[in-house]
Amino acid sequence: AQSVAQPEDQVNVAEGNPLTVKCTYSVSGNPYLFWYVQYPNRGLQFLLKYITGDNLVKGSYGFEAEFNKSQTSFHLKKPSALVSDSALYFCAVSALTGANNLFFGTGTRLTVIP
Amino acid sequence: NAGVTQTPKFQVLKTGQSMTLQCAQDMNHNSMYWYRQDPGMGLRLIYYSASEGTTDKGEVPNGYNVSRLNKREFSLRLESAAPSQTSVYFCASSEVGGGIDTQYFGPGTRLTVL
Repeated sequence: AQSVAQPEDQVNVAEGNPLTVKCTYSVSGNPYLFWYVQYPNRGLQFLLKYITGDNLVKGSYGFEAEFNKSQTSFHLKKPSALVSDSALYFCAVSALTGANNLFFGTGTRLTVIP
Repeated sequence: NAGVTQTPKFQVLKTGQSMTLQCAQDMNHNSMYWYRQDPGMGLRLIYYSASEGTTDKGEVPNGYNVSRLNKREFSLRLESAAPSQTSVYFCASSEVGGGIDTQYFGPGTRLTVL
């Protein structure tokens, strides 16, 4: 069965500092991994995804994520945080084998402090 | 190009009342989804429709029914609302199903059941 863990409910970072939002996953077979962001009172917006190929994936708004198969992780990163990055971030996983659905983590609230 | 639209934005029901949440997408996507979002639980899939004419249960289907009216529209019905169904409901669509494609989300419906 697929599952996703986001070990941190809350991450605080100072503006201009690098940020990392952690995600680990469990799937049978090769994973398809996604990051979505949710701003207050809005739906989720796609940031980036890993399907295959290069382990470093670049996405919207300067975000990137690194796929690490041995550690079953897909951490979201950004070199320099902006106050406008403050939002709720969700990691999600699916696989062609098993249930053909997308499974979401519980979310990490990122606060960038001016 | 409106993307994914949902109506209503807000709704308050009494226990036992029924209602239908409407969702439409204008991206010519094949697959559509209904999720509920509860604090600390991320998004959970209620039902999905891989293609026009098909629907399948997700993780939490009890108490809900769906109709894929046509390629554009996918509605979610609560026949007899219960307080446990108080949640924020999101509709999403993707070109390809199976959880491997980017999903595009609507703005959500905030439902309170008294």
